[in-house]
Amino acid sequence: AQSVTQPDIHITVSEGASLELRCNYSYGATPYLFWYVQSPGQGLQLLLKYFSGDTLVQGIKGFEAEFKRSQSSFNLRKPSVHWSDAAEYFCAVGAPRYGGATNKLIFGTGTLLAVQP
Amino acid sequence: DSGVTQTPKHLITATGQRVTLRCSPRSGDLSVYWYQQSLDQGLQFLIQYYNGEERAKGNILERFSAQQFPDLHSELNLSSLELGDSALYFCASSVEGGVVGTDTQYFGPGTRLTVL
Repeated sequence: AQSVTQPDIHITVSEGASLELRCNYSYGATPYLFWYVQSPGQGLQLLLKYFSGDTLVQGIKGFEAEFKRSQSSFNLRKPSVHWSDAAEYFCAVGAPRYGGATNKLIFGTGTLLAVQP
Repeated sequence: DSGVTQTPKHLITATGQRVTLRCSPRSGDLSVYWYQQSLDQGLQFLIQYYNGEERAKGNILERFSAQQFPDLHSELNLSSLELGDSALYFCASSVEGGVVGTDTQYFGPGTRLTVL
């Protein structure tokens, strides 16, 4: 069965420092991977996605993620964090549609990012 | 703004009651997904509809049901509510076209349900 692990529940970084949020997935075929961000009291906003092709994907707000099949990882990075990046970040894997399967998303437990001034 | 709308934003009700949550997908999207976000279970997929028909079910309780109407809006009905049903309920929509598995889901702002 598909699963997503985000090992870090809570991370604190200083403003201007670099950021890496970890995500490991378990899936038998080619995964479809997503990062979403949830600000307090808000819905989920898509940061970036990986379907195929270049393993380094660029997203909004200066974020990028790298797909590493050998490590079953899809880590999110940002070179310089801004105070407005404080939020909860969710990694998700999508179950491809074939043979009646669905496109449902399976989410990790999230990483809460705090940014120190 | 994702283009997905959900009403109401907040809902407070008592145990044993029934509520209906409403979702309007983005223009042109045929698929609607419902997710529940709670402190103990995290973000869980509940159910998916595609163009009016149920496509997939996740960890949805029998007390919960959903439907998608001809205008593609969807409603999630929660009945015999329990304290543990208190959660944030998200609706998402996608086009459901193109290459298998590459649909992107866009999420609404959610409905926060509090059961007292």
